[in-house]
Amino acid sequence: EAGVTQFPSHSVIEKGQTVTLRCDPISGHDNLYWYRRVMGKEIKFLLHFVKESKQDESGMPNNRFLAERTGGTYSTLKVQPAELEDSGVYFCASSQGGPVREQYFGPGTRLTVT
Amino acid sequence: QKEVEQDPGPLSVPEGAIVSLNCTYSNSAFQYFMWYRQYSRKGPELLMYTYSSGNKEDGRFTAQVDKSSKYISLFIRDSQPSDSATYLCAMRSNAGGTSYGKLTFGQGTILTVHP
Repeated sequence: EAGVTQFPSHSVIEKGQTVTLRCDPISGHDNLYWYRRVMGKEIKFLLHFVKESKQDESGMPNNRFLAERTGGTYSTLKVQPAELEDSGVYFCASSQGGPVREQYFGPGTRLTVT
Repeated sequence: QKEVEQDPGPLSVPEGAIVSLNCTYSNSAFQYFMWYRQYSRKGPELLMYTYSSGNKEDGRFTAQVDKSSKYISLFIRDSQPSDSATYLCAMRSNAGGTSYGKLTFGQGTILTVHP
């Protein structure tokens, strides 16, 4: 069974540009999560999808971040326009239905904003 | 104040040593406690998952939760060089409300086991 995949693995963009990160969860997993780790800090929750609906977006830092999960399969996280402080590693995780299930993490996308 | 505090280390031990990793937390709503292991350039991988207080053992790994002290531990016995990684504690509140899926992480402890 394929794990959670993320694309790209690394992205370098200039301040003010737009970047879109993609996450493909494990097949059949209704729950999809985005997390971010800024250098020197802990991994922080961004948001949680249940199928195509946003269950919890309390961790989204501001309106420059837009997450979508059309059709309840893969998800995209767009940052527009990117700022220097957006640099970090963005992780996606997925879990099966139900509230108390193990979250499986992808390898992350390393975003560098210069 | 952070909700979860974890000493980032780094921690270096000889092969065969017993390793003790710890986290403290302030949110009494946390009911589920996890330890993740993360190798360099990889995503976190779940090691142990416990509910409420008590101990859980899996091979060389033992997780302990003391809710009265808001303190969790992970012990690694007979540590191996392959255990060298970053160990992250994570917690979540009881199911219910919109934030049931949210994991709150510690900063992670970098562990090196040298031969």
